[in-house]
Amino acid sequence: GNSVTQMEGPVTLSEEAFLTINCTYTATGYPSLFWYVQYPGEGLQLLLKATKADDKGSNKGFEATYRKETTSFHLEKGSVQVSDSAVYFCASGDTGRRALTFGSGTRLQVQP
Amino acid sequence: GAVVSQHPSRVICKSGTSVKIECRSLDFQATTMFWYRQFPKQSLMLMATSNEGSKATYEQGVEKDKFLINHASLTLSTLTVTSAHPEDSSFYICSAPDSQWATGELFFGEGSRLTVL
Repeated sequence: GNSVTQMEGPVTLSEEAFLTINCTYTATGYPSLFWYVQYPGEGLQLLLKATKADDKGSNKGFEATYRKETTSFHLEKGSVQVSDSAVYFCASGDTGRRALTFGSGTRLQVQP
Repeated sequence: GAVVSQHPSRVICKSGTSVKIECRSLDFQATTMFWYRQFPKQSLMLMATSNEGSKATYEQGVEKDKFLINHASLTLSTLTVTSAHPEDSSFYICSAPDSQWATGELFFGEGSRLTVL
């Protein structure tokens, strides 16, 4: 089955620093890839997605590119803010109509 | 966008009682919903797939008699934790794809935090 591996946290950065959270996946086909964000005490919100190789998802200054050759979907942001502090989950969607498979989550803490 | 709502957001119950959590798709029809469980500082674990009009499909290791799922309509799925015990305390999250499964994206409810005393 599918699996998703993402870097362990927590990641602690100063405001305006550059962010990278690594994510790699294994899949039998070509899944859709997602980044979800979970703010304290809340459910998950979709941050961005990419449905095929070389697609770049972007939202709120975050970006991630679907790299088939390296089976990766790393999340990046050029300048983080305190409000970006949250847990970020990488996920892959099977080609069938099935639930998403999530990585373990990476907690980001941005300090002023 | 598609909106999924859960209720209650928090519930505290005594050991041995049953608790029902509702998951509703507010502006779309969901023939399928997924129930996840999230342990503190851990990822989401898929518990079961809820199918409208038929039995739920449970993941390996999830007790179906413990976690009763009913999907009686196209907009409502319920998870009942029966005879709850402290180890059932967790954050339960439901999700649903859009009605066309256009991109595989799931829309998530706000989550329900269950505390069993």
